[in-house]
Amino acid sequence: KNQVEQSPQSLIILEGKNCTLQCNYTVSPFSNLRWYKQDTGRGPVSLTIMTFSENTKSNGRYTATLDADTKQSSLHITASQLSDSASYICVVTPAAGNKLTFGGGTRVLVKP
Amino acid sequence: NAGVTQTPKFQVLKTGQSMTLQCAQDMNHNSMYWYRQDPGMGLRLIYYSASEGTTDKGEVPNGYNVSRLNKREFSLRLESAAPSQTSVYFCASSLTGTSGGASSFGPGTRLTVL
Repeated sequence: KNQVEQSPQSLIILEGKNCTLQCNYTVSPFSNLRWYKQDTGRGPVSLTIMTFSENTKSNGRYTATLDADTKQSSLHITASQLSDSASYICVVTPAAGNKLTFGGGTRVLVKP
Repeated sequence: NAGVTQTPKFQVLKTGQSMTLQCAQDMNHNSMYWYRQDPGMGLRLIYYSASEGTTDKGEVPNGYNVSRLNKREFSLRLESAAPSQTSVYFCASSLTGTSGGASSFGPGTRLTVL
């Protein structure tokens, strides 16, 4: 069964600090891996998308990395801001079909 | 562009009642999706439509029906609501289904079934 596991489930960081979120997946072969940000009460918003041949992708202060050999991805948030408080979801698209596999998300709280 | 829009934003139903959740996108996307999100769980696919005129079951289709009315609109119907269907429902769309996955999500519909 295809799975996407994220860690930690939640974390608290101080404003201005960096943090890294982890995503391990078993979906194989896969087409791409996305990181989404979901603010409370809102729909997810795509931050980055990487194909299996890409190692890293940045979007402002967000940098995603992908190791297709170990089936691991990470999302690094640099110089966190209060607006970064949200859930971050890792999603893997299989090479065939439309049935994405979603991770359970990591809830990030940035404190002043 | 409005992106993906959903109506209503909130809804309370009694067990056994029926309702239709509406979704529309103005990005000329071919594929559309309905997900539900329960506390502590990832989004789960209910139904999807790879292109206009086609629909397929996702991971949790029981108790739901869908209609791809045209390229823009994809509705989700609960014929006889049950408390287990209390959830937040998200509609999403993407340009292509097989390579991109859902790229744009709507704001969600929070449904409570009493």
